[in-house]
Amino acid sequence: GAVVSQHPSWVICKSGTSVKIECRSLDFQATTMFWYRQFPKQSLMLMATSNEGSKATYEQGVEKDKFLINHASLTLSTLTVTSAHPEDSSFYICSASIYSNEKLFFGSGTQLSVL
Amino acid sequence: GESVGLHLPTLSVQEGDNSIINCAYSNSASDYFIWYKQESGKGPQFIIDIRSNMDKRQGQRVTVLLNKTVKHLSLQIAATQPGDSAVYFCAEIPIKAAGNKLTFGGGTRVLVKP
Repeated sequence: GAVVSQHPSWVICKSGTSVKIECRSLDFQATTMFWYRQFPKQSLMLMATSNEGSKATYEQGVEKDKFLINHASLTLSTLTVTSAHPEDSSFYICSASIYSNEKLFFGSGTQLSVL
Repeated sequence: GESVGLHLPTLSVQEGDNSIINCAYSNSASDYFIWYKQESGKGPQFIIDIRSNMDKRQGQRVTVLLNKTVKHLSLQIAATQPGDSAVYFCAEIPIKAAGNKLTFGGGTRVLVKP
């Protein structure tokens, strides 16, 4: 199946710093990628839809200035957590699909810990 | 709002037995359903999918059943193995949704006892 690579797999940062997470589709082009957030023992919560060449679409309650999304190419989307705080500590996951309305392939996730 | 939910938060099963994980969905317009498996510290892994024009679909050791009348989805795992221990999520894509915007259920943790 298609492979989605997410990097880094874990990151520890100081409060107030920014962290960038990358999501790459390795063997296919993805015009749309999705970013999710997951707290321990909870389900995945969609944060935003990343569209290649245009602005991301954020879900209600997600701060777009806090979580910057850039989808500069058909194989790469990045999520930057700006001015991170301890409450931003979470598991962040991206996904992509080859075709619209077909199954999504997920990255391996990034565990962010903000001290 | 509409959502996808699960009946059982935790399921303990003896190795070798069959597992059944249930999911209730409330959006009658949903067209496409997927089951994902998530191991600790990893992203969700696709297991099996089914479209609303089907009642049943089988994969390797897994079967998904869809009952549109009662809006119920289930995942059956045959001869459960220790490697099946994980959290299982059902997810749906409504017909009118753009692209692949998934709504996830709350998840069921499956614990396989040796």
